[in-house]
Amino acid sequence: VMTQTPLSSLVTLGQPASISCRSSQGLVHSDGNTYLSWLQQRPGQPPRLLIYKVSNRFSGVPDRFSGSGAGTDFTLKISRVEAEDVGIYYCMQGTQSPWTFGQGTKVEIK
Amino acid sequence: QVQLVQSGAEVKKPGASVKVSCKIPAYTFTDYFLHWVRQAPGQGLEWMGWVIPHSGGTMFAQKFQGRVTMTRDTSTNTAYMELTRLTSDDTAMYFCARVDGWGQGTLVSVSS
Repeated sequence: VMTQTPLSSLVTLGQPASISCRSSQGLVHSDGNTYLSWLQQRPGQPPRLLIYKVSNRFSGVPDRFSGSGAGTDFTLKISRVEAEDVGIYYCMQGTQSPWTFGQGTKVEIK
Repeated sequence: QVQLVQSGAEVKKPGASVKVSCKIPAYTFTDYFLHWVRQAPGQGLEWMGWVIPHSGGTMFAQKFQGRVTMTRDTSTNTAYMELTRLTSDDTAMYFCARVDGWGQGTLVSVSS
């Protein structure tokens, strides 16, 4: 089970935001990798991959997004929130099947 | 990291089948399992299953057992997901995905 906190975040433009994700089981795969990803879903759009394997930014993702963590606890940070960052953010684990997803965190601008 | 490219939107009648394709770059085709995930309107993400590109082995979520087929064509580096006996509850965006990249999604609408 993937548990995200908070479920909703009201952020001032230019300020940082942080989302936590906790897994009920360790996410280290037998190959040594940790398959923890973060997805962003802007309003009216499909989800897109932001971060994979804990801390790797996908192509085109701004460097204000960063991922960290290990074992069962992970964090997505946005260093300076911009208007285009509004949306729902999901963590997901790809270490075991079935893939499981967090409930989503809604990020809005104050 | 990889960008997966999916086929276009589909409109189907209840009881019909749909087959969605997912093109994977050849140089990385066998690197990871290829998963399928769907998202119904206003809902969260739902994992459907995976196919192993090099062997064709599959695993499905119990909910879709007997109704879903996942295949791959190694000559074209393409994976396929076929869902049969469609109902309105299957109206959703369908995604192919790997741990290092996702497709853009394919909207499947089921309506009489």
